Amino acid sequence: GAVVSQHPSWVICKSGTSVKIECRSLDFQATTMFWYRQFPKQSLMLMATSNEGSKATYEQGVEKDKFLINHASLTLSTLTVTSAHPEDSSFYICSATRQPNQPQHFGDGTRLSIL
Amino acid sequence: AQTVTQSQPEMSVQEAETVTLSCTYDTSESDYYLFWYKQPPSRQMILVIRQEAYKQQNATENRFSVNFQKAAKSFSLKISDSQLGDAAMYFCAYRSLNSGGSNYKLTFGKGTLLTVNP
Repeated sequence: GAVVSQHPSWVICKSGTSVKIECRSLDFQATTMFWYRQFPKQSLMLMATSNEGSKATYEQGVEKDKFLINHASLTLSTLTVTSAHPEDSSFYICSATRQPNQPQHFGDGTRLSIL
Repeated sequence: AQTVTQSQPEMSVQEAETVTLSCTYDTSESDYYLFWYKQPPSRQMILVIRQEAYKQQNATENRFSVNFQKAAKSFSLKISDSQLGDAAMYFCAYRSLNSGGSNYKLTFGKGTLLTVNP
């Protein structure tokens, strides 16, 4: 199968700090990774599409300076929430795919709580 | 832009019975993929079934099957012999077949919360 690991699974931090979330494809090379945000009892909202070696493509309304995405290798993408505030508290999920037109494999998500 | 609509926020079914979850979508494209994902309380996204729009035959995976009506832009999920483990949020999703990075993104419906009663 295709395994995607997301770390950490849960993080609590103080307002104003920056938090980094990692998304790794463990047994395949992921040319494309996607980052989603999910509020309680709501659907997944795509934040950005990340292609290895190039800048991420952000969805409308997503602050690129707030949510920094790096996809430096074929197995790792990171999402950094900069100067996090309580309104950034949410569930963040990544997915990865071998090629853009192939199925996405999801990580288990990260619950982010900003105090 | 494509949209996906799930008109049933919540559904319930008795164990061993059959339930159908509705999904409609709007697109101007002729080729695309449709998916049903399951999200249990653990919040892991699990692919249940997928359908290629160019295939007329409805996809089936064990107890899960779809009724794909391309002209009506409808893609319902039928769960037969419902089990307690089927209780979850179910999301319908659309994905284009066109090239271009962001065009391969998944567009999700708002979800249907399925409860299975023993």
